[in-house]
Amino acid sequence: EPEVTQTPSHQVTQMGQEVILRCVPISNHLYFYWYRQILGQKVEFLVSFYNNEISEKSEIFDDQFSVERPDGSNFTLKIRSTKLEDSAMYFCASSEDSASGANVLTFGAGSRLTVL
Amino acid sequence: GQNIDQPTEMTATEGAIVQINCTYQTSGFNGLFWYQQHAGEAPTFLSYNVLDGLEEKGRFSSFLSRSKGYSYLLLKELQMKDSASYLCAVRDRWDDKIIFGKGTRLHILP
Repeated sequence: EPEVTQTPSHQVTQMGQEVILRCVPISNHLYFYWYRQILGQKVEFLVSFYNNEISEKSEIFDDQFSVERPDGSNFTLKIRSTKLEDSAMYFCASSEDSASGANVLTFGAGSRLTVL
Repeated sequence: GQNIDQPTEMTATEGAIVQINCTYQTSGFNGLFWYQQHAGEAPTFLSYNVLDGLEEKGRFSSFLSRSKGYSYLLLKELQMKDSASYLCAVRDRWDDKIIFGKGTRLHILP
């Protein structure tokens, strides 16, 4: 069964450092997403990406965050200068076609970010 | 904006049936999803409803009433492996994104 893969599975960084989280979405999917989940809290939307540009972003996704699809397979989330409150599990997700209605998101296993 | 409410925790017995409710308020509506999330893992898709009524998939069923802004997930013949959080999520008519509720943590007792 096709899957979304994420690396690294766990990253520990110092406050103020830059972090890049990587994702390989399912190959025939067109829509890509980043969500985050702070420990014990709900899954929160960060950003959606389609046709090589951001289609939507939340209030959380401020100037410290950026996304990129540098080639035909990878989808990355960059946090420019990490803060303690960025500590969370970051999930990448992809879907085949938003216009289909069902728009079922398939999630990767997540990248746990710990900011010290 | 969107608001999604579901109970924080529920407990049920192995072999029994449990119903997890979800109410939502959205400015538009284009589908409701249920996801299962085991501790420390990613959410996995369970069901999707966009029209009123019941969708059945094996031991799991999901119901939607758009006029009431209400859905439930019904789990039958509960197994220990069903111990997980169940996330209700809604897609707004105008958005690509899916917004999740806080989830209901389901504990299964032997």
